[in-house]
Amino acid sequence: AQSVTQPDIHITVSEGASLELRCNYSYGATPYLFWYVQSPGQGLQLLLKYFSGDTLVQGIKGFEAEFKRSQSSFNLRKPSVHWSDAAEYFCAVGVRTGNQFYFGTGTSLTVIP
Amino acid sequence: DAGITQSPRHKVTETGTPVTLRCHQTENHRYMYWYRQDPGHGLRLIHYSYGVKDTDKGEVSDGYSVSRSKTEDFLLTLESATSSQTSVYFCAIEDTAGRGTEAFFGQGTRLTVV
Repeated sequence: AQSVTQPDIHITVSEGASLELRCNYSYGATPYLFWYVQSPGQGLQLLLKYFSGDTLVQGIKGFEAEFKRSQSSFNLRKPSVHWSDAAEYFCAVGVRTGNQFYFGTGTSLTVIP
Repeated sequence: DAGITQSPRHKVTETGTPVTLRCHQTENHRYMYWYRQDPGHGLRLIHYSYGVKDTDKGEVSDGYSVSRSKTEDFLLTLESATSSQTSVYFCAIEDTAGRGTEAFFGQGTRLTVV
C-alpha cells in the first residue's frame, strides 16, 4: 500500500538558517511527488512537484527538493529561511493508477528571529 | 489560482443532523476530491470523482456520501453527523497536465458537530 512518512512533526529554525524537511514514501512504482504548504486557516498551495527527469526540482519561494529513488525520499530544502515561511508543510505521493494522492501527516515549521 | 469554491466556509451543526458541503470549480477538471484534515493525520481521502456520476471511496468514507451531477459541482453529505466528523474538509481538483498530475485545493470548510 502507498504511504508517506514525514518523521518530523515540528521543526524550529532561526531566520536565515537553512532548512531541510524530510519525506519518505512507499510505492511500488515511480511516483509523482509533491510538496504543499499550508498557512493557518488557508488551503494547500503547491510548492513543487516531481514527475520524471531531473531529480532536483525547483519550486516557488526559493524551495527545492531532491528525489532519491534508492532512499525512497523526497526531502524539501531551502538555503535561507524567512519568517514568512512559518507554516505547515505536507509531502504527497500521486498514484498513477486511479489518480489518487496520499499525504504525509505534515511538518509544522516555526521560524524564530 | 485554480477556481475552486467551497461552501460554507464554517458550519456548526448538531449530532444526528444531515450536512451537505459543496465544492464548485470553474476549471472543467475531470477529477475532484474530498479530504478531511485532522491533527496528527494529515489529509485523508474521503471520496473522489472521476467524472459526472462517477465516484469512488477513499480511505475514510464511512458515514459520508457524495454526488456529482455536473462537472463543476461535487457535494459531500454527512447523512447523520457525529462528533467524530468534526474536522476541516478540503475539496481538491486535479489538473492533468499530460505528463503528470497535481491537485489544487479549496480554502476548506471547518465543520463542528456538537
